[in-house]
Amino acid sequence: DVKVTQSSRYLVKRTGEKVFLECVQDMDHENMFWYRQDPGLGLRLIYFSYDVKMKEKGDIPEGYSVSREKKERFSLILESASTNQTSMYLCASSLMPDRATEAFFGQGTRLTVV
Amino acid sequence: GQNIDQPTEMTATEGAIVQINCTYQTSGFNGLFWYQQHAGEAPTFLSYNVLDGLEEKGRFSSFLSRSKGYSYLLLKELQMKDSASYLCAGKDSNYQLIWGAGTKLIIKP
Repeated sequence: DVKVTQSSRYLVKRTGEKVFLECVQDMDHENMFWYRQDPGLGLRLIYFSYDVKMKEKGDIPEGYSVSREKKERFSLILESASTNQTSMYLCASSLMPDRATEAFFGQGTRLTVV
Repeated sequence: GQNIDQPTEMTATEGAIVQINCTYQTSGFNGLFWYQQHAGEAPTFLSYNVLDGLEEKGRFSSFLSRSKGYSYLLLKELQMKDSASYLCAGKDSNYQLIWGAGTKLIIKP
């Protein structure tokens, strides 16, 4: 079974802190994604990556950055956390984008910024 | 623009059948996905349609009409454990997933 693991289930951070969310997948998938999920809204793509050291902006990249130094690991960084970044963050991985394969999700990190 | 529409919430009775509709507008089309998400958990894959018609998988079936930009998820013999949110997502010409806000399904005994 594909496993996507996020480093924390719950996090509470202070405004202005630098926050790191880590995600690891064990199926050698090329693609990795970071989404945020808020009530009443669909999953919104923050960043994605097709390969090591490659990254592409999604729909809402402002205030975030990412790092992919190894194929299995994709990190999301909140440079200076703000209260409007309080949300559920979901990491996902999948095979190559030109294949109609599903994405596999981690269990999510519920981040609260106070 | 790209858009996925689905009802916010639906209620059904244990043992019954429910149909969750989804309409989509995407730039190009490379398939339609349905995911299930229990409260506080990760979405899990249910089905994928790229051709018109009905795909059946046990108690769950998914239908697609490309000409109408329409899909539905059909759940039969509802069980209490089916209480969850159901997410519809279309894949556009760049193979990116465009997500609906999800339909919260409440099952009553």
